[in-house]
Amino acid sequence: EVQLVESGGGLVQPGGSLRLSCAASGFTFSSYSMNWVRQAPGKGLEWVSYISSSSSTIYYADSVKGRFTISRDNAKNSLYLQMNSLRDEDTAVYYCARDAHTPDGDYVPFDYWGQGTLVTVSS
Amino acid sequence: QSVLTQPPSASGTPGQRVTISCSGSSSNIGSNTVNWYQQLPGTAPKLLIYSNNQRPSGVPDRFSGSKSGTSASLAISGLQSEDEADYYCAAWDDSLNGPGVVFGGGTKLTVL
Repeated sequence: EVQLVESGGGLVQPGGSLRLSCAASGFTFSSYSMNWVRQAPGKGLEWVSYISSSSSTIYYADSVKGRFTISRDNAKNSLYLQMNSLRDEDTAVYYCARDAHTPDGDYVPFDYWGQGTLVTVSS
Repeated sequence: QSVLTQPPSASGTPGQRVTISCSGSSSNIGSNTVNWYQQLPGTAPKLLIYSNNQRPSGVPDRFSGSKSGTSASLAISGLQSEDEADYYCAAWDDSLNGPGVVFGGGTKLTVL
């Protein structure tokens, strides 16, 4: 069974830093690209960052570029998100989500999701 | 606002058929496949439709998806009370400013 378990959320002051982790199990983590997706309270979903299976390709949303860093450790089956210079608008539930591909090669984003971890940025 | 456009709300009575639209552009829906997610209250989103019209294992065939040009739609037939949820469309965007996945703003489905 595929499982993604996020941790590391909490309350942080504006300008502060936080590191989120996502522990993966039930699949060959090193074969899949991964993402962080967030959801502000009462709002919709926003993609945050993507990392390929080998970490060779990384993308960020404009809203976090230069402040957030995605990384992974395939030996530990873990995904990370280092968040610096946090702002009020970064307050959200952060989800770790796996990607997949169809046999025809179509990209299927977010076929499995974790339960999320809440990050609150407030003074 | 969101790159993909969805109606904020939709509703229907049990047994009815409802559709939710999703409008994008040539850099996202026009050139990539569309995926739909269902988010039940208080839970994480779940993949509902992928590659425009494919259902993951376990998703009832009451749910169907389609795409034409730069628009897509999700149809739910035989509406049930447990279908009350938020629905999001998403697609890869090949924007020159930086590629990534873009979402619709979400549609809250109410079963009357």
